[in-house]
Amino acid sequence: DAGVTQSPTHLIKTRGQHVTLRCSPISGHKSVSWYQQVLGQGPQFIFQYYEKEERGRGNFPDRFSARQFPNYSSELNVNALLLGDSALYLCASSPSPGQGSYEQYFGPGTRLTVT
Amino acid sequence: AQRVTQPEKLLSVFKGAPVELKCNYSYSGSPELFWYVQYSRQRLQLLLRHISRESIKGFTADLNKGETSFHLKKPFAQEEDSAMYYCALKSGYGQNFVFGPGTRLSVLP
Repeated sequence: DAGVTQSPTHLIKTRGQHVTLRCSPISGHKSVSWYQQVLGQGPQFIFQYYEKEERGRGNFPDRFSARQFPNYSSELNVNALLLGDSALYLCASSPSPGQGSYEQYFGPGTRLTVT
Repeated sequence: AQRVTQPEKLLSVFKGAPVELKCNYSYSGSPELFWYVQYSRQRLQLLLRHISRESIKGFTADLNKGETSFHLKKPFAQEEDSAMYYCALKSGYGQNFVFGPGTRLSVLP
């Protein structure tokens, strides 16, 4: 298993555009979480999805949305991009949000640059 | 509000010296605390969690609820310990982790 995979690796967008980031969890993992990591800061929680339902949401505006598919892969969408959205977006998968839910495995991230 | 602070952005020690990476948190409930590590060109990965009370790669961390701290310690630092270390607080159900800003540990030869 290649672990958590994310695509694309890098992305450059212009202010006002929208972007879709993708994540494939480890095989057998049903929970996916998204984090935003701005340069010089720790990851900040955006969303958690489990069994295609949103199970947690961080303090992010409605421009951020996500969904999870039947195969447990996930997409993060950001509309009306702002310069401040430039960051590394991390995806993490875990077996479930219940017992042992601390076991989250991170992907390599997608580097988004908004110009 | 839930918050994790790591006062040192960069910590440099010599090989064989003791190392302590500081972490303080604010949380009204019963916290679960973790240390994550990111080695150069690798993914963020779990190092240890306070509930397990285990030692991983020689590192230990004790949760001090009175001081709301979860400092990471190792008696003898190795060059391969050089990495970025993040303290994280898990609140509630699911994967709502609050990460600190991180401390870069540099172990000098």
